[in-house]
Amino acid sequence: GAVVSQHPSRVICKSGTSVKIECRSLDFQATTMFWYRQFPKQSLMLMATSNEGSKATYEQGVEKDKFLINHASLTLSTLTVTSAHPEDSSFYICSARGKEGVWEKLFFGSGTQLSVL
Amino acid sequence: AQSVTQLDSQVPVFEEAPVELRCNYSSSVSVYLFWYVQYPNQGLQLLLKYLSGSTLVKGINGSEAEFNKSQTSFHLRKPSVHISDTAEYFCAVRISNDYKLSFGAGTTVTVRA
Repeated sequence: GAVVSQHPSRVICKSGTSVKIECRSLDFQATTMFWYRQFPKQSLMLMATSNEGSKATYEQGVEKDKFLINHASLTLSTLTVTSAHPEDSSFYICSARGKEGVWEKLFFGSGTQLSVL
Repeated sequence: AQSVTQLDSQVPVFEEAPVELRCNYSSSVSVYLFWYVQYPNQGLQLLLKYLSGSTLVKGINGSEAEFNKSQTSFHLRKPSVHISDTAEYFCAVRISNDYKLSFGAGTTVTVRA
């Protein structure tokens, strides 16, 4: 089946630095990718939707200058957390919209645990 | 907008016992419904989905869920659980022409021997 690779799986950084998270669709072209954030014991909250070659659409309350999303190719989307602070510590998950056979499906990455010190 | 409520945050269960995870949704339009499972330190995997047709859908691990439109529910059931079923389970909903998912808060299932 289709695979979405998310890297890194875990990252620890100092407050004020920027962190980039990559999401790759390994064997299919993903025209749309979604970025979610998950706090401990809570649900996934959609942050933004990115379409290849265009600007990301951010959900209400998500700072687009803080969470930079780039979807430069059909197989790669990146999320950069700029000037990270401890409150940005969270689990970030990407998902990609792609086809498995004739069906369109959503495929999820394995997530990135970000810890900001 | 759509929303999902998972009524149980934690469900402890003994091995080989049945389990039911409750999910209710609200939406002003027709929706598609999903159950995802998240094993420790992993991403989400799709267990099953309801798009249309038969209201009883089967999952990949012996689970099943029934769509009940009148009660706006999509409860997940498994007749006999294993230790390996210990995980976080999420119910999710989306409308037909939009791939954005709205998730419930999740239910932690802990299976004990």
